[in-house]
Amino acid sequence: AQSVTQLDSHVSVSEGTPVLLRCNYSSSYSPSLFWYVQHPNKGLQLLLKYTSAATLVKGINGFEAEFKKSETSFHLTKPSAHMSDAAEYFCVVSDSSNTGKLIFGQGTTLQVKP
Amino acid sequence: DTAVSQTPKYLVTQMGNDKSIKCEQNLGHDTMYWYKQDSKKFLKIMFSYNNKELIINETVPNRFSPKSPDKAHLNLHINSLELGDSAVYFCASSQVGTDTDTQYFGPGTRLTVL
Repeated sequence: AQSVTQLDSHVSVSEGTPVLLRCNYSSSYSPSLFWYVQHPNKGLQLLLKYTSAATLVKGINGFEAEFKKSETSFHLTKPSAHMSDAAEYFCVVSDSSNTGKLIFGQGTTLQVKP
Repeated sequence: DTAVSQTPKYLVTQMGNDKSIKCEQNLGHDTMYWYKQDSKKFLKIMFSYNNKELIINETVPNRFSPKSPDKAHLNLHINSLELGDSAVYFCASSQVGTDTDTQYFGPGTRLTVL
């Protein structure tokens, strides 16, 4: 069965410093992986998606993630944090059943300090 | 234009009542989903419909009944509301076949059962 584990429940960075949100996945096949962001009291917005075309995936708002099969990781990074990046981030894997079912990680709260 | 919309945004009700949440998407997608986000922000799929046909039903109590009058709408009816039903409910949609996994989420409905 597919699963994702977000290694940090809370990450705090200063504005202008790099962001790293860690995610490990478990899958018996080549998975589709996503990062979604949820700003306070808002819905979920897709940041980026990996589908085996390229291991380094660029997303919106300067975020990117690298798929590393050997490490079963899909960490999210950004070179320089902005105050508006403060939000909840979810690493997500697609279920293998081809029904569109998504399996969410527990979420990481990103705090950005001025 | 809002791609995936939900009404109401907030719903406060008493235990034992019956309530409905509506979802509409104008993306032309053929698959729609309901997710529940609990107080710890964990997201789990409840149902999905493809062209008005139920394809995912995740061990959700029978008090929850999705209804899809057409492929642009997926409503969620909840009977005999319980305290534990308090959560944020998200609707999402995707297009099966092309970019299947990318789901677009609505803004959420915060349900509070007193």
